[in-house]
Amino acid sequence: QVQLQESGPGLVKPSETLSLTCTVSGGSISNYYWSWIRQPPGKGLEWVGYVFYTGSTNYNPSLKSRVTISVDKSKNQFSLKLSSVTAADTAVYHCARVHPMPTSAFDMWGQGTMVTVSS
Amino acid sequence: QTVVTQEPSLTVSPGGTVTLTCASSSGAVTSGFYTNWFQQKPGQAPRALIYSTTYKHSWTPARFSGSLLGGKAALTLSGVQPEDEAEYYCLLYYGGSWVFGGGTKVTVL
Repeated sequence: QVQLQESGPGLVKPSETLSLTCTVSGGSISNYYWSWIRQPPGKGLEWVGYVFYTGSTNYNPSLKSRVTISVDKSKNQFSLKLSSVTAADTAVYHCARVHPMPTSAFDMWGQGTMVTVSS
Repeated sequence: QTVVTQEPSLTVSPGGTVTLTCASSSGAVTSGFYTNWFQQKPGQAPRALIYSTTYKHSWTPARFSGSLLGGKAALTLSGVQPEDEAEYYCLLYYGGSWVFGGGTKVTVL
């Protein structure tokens, strides 16, 4: 059974870069998209973006200028970098596996990690 | 900016049936939006229920079903159980990016 686990700092200062890693266990990172989704406290879900195992990416247009998602197949990990953060970026960040078209299923999710942006 | 709209809240009696909908500001939702549905309970990660409009995951209870209804994506819960009380989110595909709906809070009362 594939499992995903997010890791990274729980506190980031405003204007700095948020960096998170998702470690995939129990399966290969190949042949899937790997996504980041966030949820501000008390609010709904927001798709941040995803990376294909080959390294190609797609991002939420509203975040595109600040987001970089990359994959490290040798470590079975993928990562999120979000630059110039503000309090509005405070959220639980989840990583998830996405099947390619036509299945397009977001099936496996990590438990999520809370990131607070504050000085 | 595309907006995906869901009912903010719905109430259903145990054993009853409720249908949640998911509308796109860009027009009718079709199979090409590859609709996903998720269930989220407080303090938990979302759990996938439906993908590609109608397909269930191996763990999805039979009482959940996905469809297209009147230009919207729909999630129907039949024979609702108390444990179905949760927030439900739809997710639509827009040619390279994805957009979540705002969520529907389902109360079983």
